[in-house]
Amino acid sequence: GAGVSQSPRYKVAKRGQDVALRCDPISGHVSLFWYQQALGQGPEFLTYFQNEAQLDKSGLPSDRFFAERPEGSVSTLKIQRTQQEDSAVYLCASSPKDREGNEQFFGPGTRLTVL
Amino acid sequence: GENVEQHPSTLSVQEGDSAVIKCTYSDSASNYFPWYKQELGKRPQLIIDIRSNVGEKKDQRIAVTLNKTAKHFSLHITETQPEDSAVYFCAASRVDVGYNKLIFGAGTRLAVHP
Repeated sequence: GAGVSQSPRYKVAKRGQDVALRCDPISGHVSLFWYQQALGQGPEFLTYFQNEAQLDKSGLPSDRFFAERPEGSVSTLKIQRTQQEDSAVYLCASSPKDREGNEQFFGPGTRLTVL
Repeated sequence: GENVEQHPSTLSVQEGDSAVIKCTYSDSASNYFPWYKQELGKRPQLIIDIRSNVGEKKDQRIAVTLNKTAKHFSLHITETQPEDSAVYFCAASRVDVGYNKLIFGAGTRLAVHP
C-alpha cells in the first residue's frame, strides 16, 4: 500500500513568510509525529498526535510553529513569519496503533529553505 | 530529558569488513532502541530495534546489542556491502508513557568501498 506522503517536497520561502507543510499518513494509523532534521543532524521531535488530539507539543521551537490534525488523518505543520534558522527537512511519521514500541514509518520529508 | 550520543560520526570500511556504531543514552527509563538507515535524499527506514528486556537481537547481517547498566547500545553490520552505504541513526524512547517519542543520535555516515 501507499506509504506516508508529504507535500510539497521542497519549499523556498522568504524570511517573514508563512508556510504550510502537509503530511498524509498511512491510512488507519493512529499516531502521527513531526520531526525537524537540520543538515547533518538526526531528526528532532516536534509534536505528537493521537488521532486528532495533539498530546505532546513540547518540541515545537516557538509559538510560530503550529500543527493540527483536525480529522485524525492528514496533518499540517504551519510556520509563521519564517526565519533562516527554520531551514531544515521536516519529517512526518506515522505508526499503526497507539501502543508502545510500534515502528514509525517516515515520509520523504519537506525541505524548507528560508532566504 | 533524554540525550543520545552516537559515535563515530563517519565510518569507512572495505567491502566484506564489519562495521560497528555505538550509542549511549542518558535516561535510564528508556526501554526501546530502534536503528534507522537513511540514504541520501531518502526517508529514514527502520532496520532493527531492541527492547530493554533483551540484550541482543540479530537479523541476517545486522545485530544490535544493549547494555542497560552502562546505558549503551551498538549496531553491528557484518560482511558489509556497497549498498550498506548510508547514514545510520540510533534512537531511544520510553514506550511506557503511551507513545513512542524518539530521541535520535546525530548519525553515522557509513561508506563501504568495493
